[in-house]
Amino acid sequence: EDKVVQSPLSLVVHEGDTVTLNCSYEVTNFRSLLWYKQEKKAPTFLFMLTSSGIEKKSGRLSSILDKKELFSILNITATQTGDSAIYLCAVACFEASNDYKLSFGAGTTVTVRA
Amino acid sequence: GAVVSQHPSWVICKSGTSVKIECRSLDFQATTMFWYRQFPKQSLMLMATSNEGSKATYEQGVEKDKFLINHASLTLSTLTVTSAHPEDSSFYICSAQGRGLASTDTQYFGPGTRLTVL
Repeated sequence: EDKVVQSPLSLVVHEGDTVTLNCSYEVTNFRSLLWYKQEKKAPTFLFMLTSSGIEKKSGRLSSILDKKELFSILNITATQTGDSAIYLCAVACFEASNDYKLSFGAGTTVTVRA
Repeated sequence: GAVVSQHPSWVICKSGTSVKIECRSLDFQATTMFWYRQFPKQSLMLMATSNEGSKATYEQGVEKDKFLINHASLTLSTLTVTSAHPEDSSFYICSAQGRGLASTDTQYFGPGTRLTVL
């Protein structure tokens, strides 16, 4: 059974702090790892990572994948209250049908206080 | 680009009735659509995967006769919760991947449908 484990489950920080979210996985037929941000409704896409060691950046957010150690981190620098959300890590795995499916971690709830 | 809509966003129904939820890809052709459910403070659980024009593939433990999925076109998939009961109350989210996107691997999510069964 595919496993995706996120840590910590929740954290509270103050504006301006930096947060690091972890995602480790044990899956068969790995294809890619994705990060999503979920506020009140459905998740919005942040990053997709397929190669080790290549950092992806978008503004104050960045992410990197280590396929040898089977984990990824998501960094948020200079946090703002608008960063408060649940951050979901998902791993895409190949299926026999040549499709793939996502397995989600439980998410990390980030609360940024003013 | 890559906008997915769902309708309705919120529905309350009586126990025993059926509810249909629509998922549309607005600006791309969705070759594959996924249906998830999410209970409060839990992560997304995949229910089924559907490819346009073929039968949906259901995850283990998901009753295909209870959760009917139709993916009749490249822009529309529907999930019908038949004879809904209170335990079916949940947040149902669809996602889509397909042609014409920067990344064909990425799933784009709809805004979700909150179902409450009384």
